[in-house]
Amino acid sequence: DQQVKQNSPSLSVQEGRISILNCDYTNSMFDYFLWYKKYPAEGPTFLISISSIKDKNEDGRFTVFLNKSAKHLSLHIVPSQPGDSAVYFCAARVYNNNDMRFGAGTRLTVKP
Amino acid sequence: GAGVSQTPSNKVTEKGKYVELRCDPISGHTALYWYRQSLGQGPEFLIYFQGTGAADDSGLPNDRFFAVRPEGSVSTLKIQRTERGDSAVYLCASSFGLGGDTQYFGPGTRLTVL
Repeated sequence: DQQVKQNSPSLSVQEGRISILNCDYTNSMFDYFLWYKKYPAEGPTFLISISSIKDKNEDGRFTVFLNKSAKHLSLHIVPSQPGDSAVYFCAARVYNNNDMRFGAGTRLTVKP
Repeated sequence: GAGVSQTPSNKVTEKGKYVELRCDPISGHTALYWYRQSLGQGPEFLIYFQGTGAADDSGLPNDRFFAVRPEGSVSTLKIQRTERGDSAVYLCASSFGLGGDTQYFGPGTRLTVL
């Protein structure tokens, strides 16, 4: 039962442009969402999160948008840089519950 | 400070053998988590500890899998009678507390069962 879905396995963008990574979830109990970034041979690194009481959270070049009615969130990276090339995982959980569910990941390639 | 470390980084074993995977969390982190990541998938929750006790082991796939954290720091994931389907990257994470605290991941142990 895949409760968090990332339907795009890969995305390629030009340096300086916007990268938009999408994520859908099915469990309406989820109220806390996170994005992790993963480089090869390393563990996932926390990037940004959002609580369900918000619809937007921004941190530098990274912004996460949450649409609760659509059960959809997205990560925007502006401007994209070659160093952003990595696999990005969307994750969700019920706050204060430690069972975090991950999507399958989207491999982002930013071309110079 | 040092991050989460996991040993070994790679483990190759034969079907039916027993393996142990080790995780050293960030110093001072009371919560520790194990995940399994199969090829092309995201990490899948296995178990988490608060201190020495397993607070939730509902993600362990069957009774061949067991994890301990006897002193509330280092944890060992133990897999008995390994099967080829156990091949995956096993990730460990730790956090300062439970709930909304950020989980910091180690680099993982790649287990290959031949």
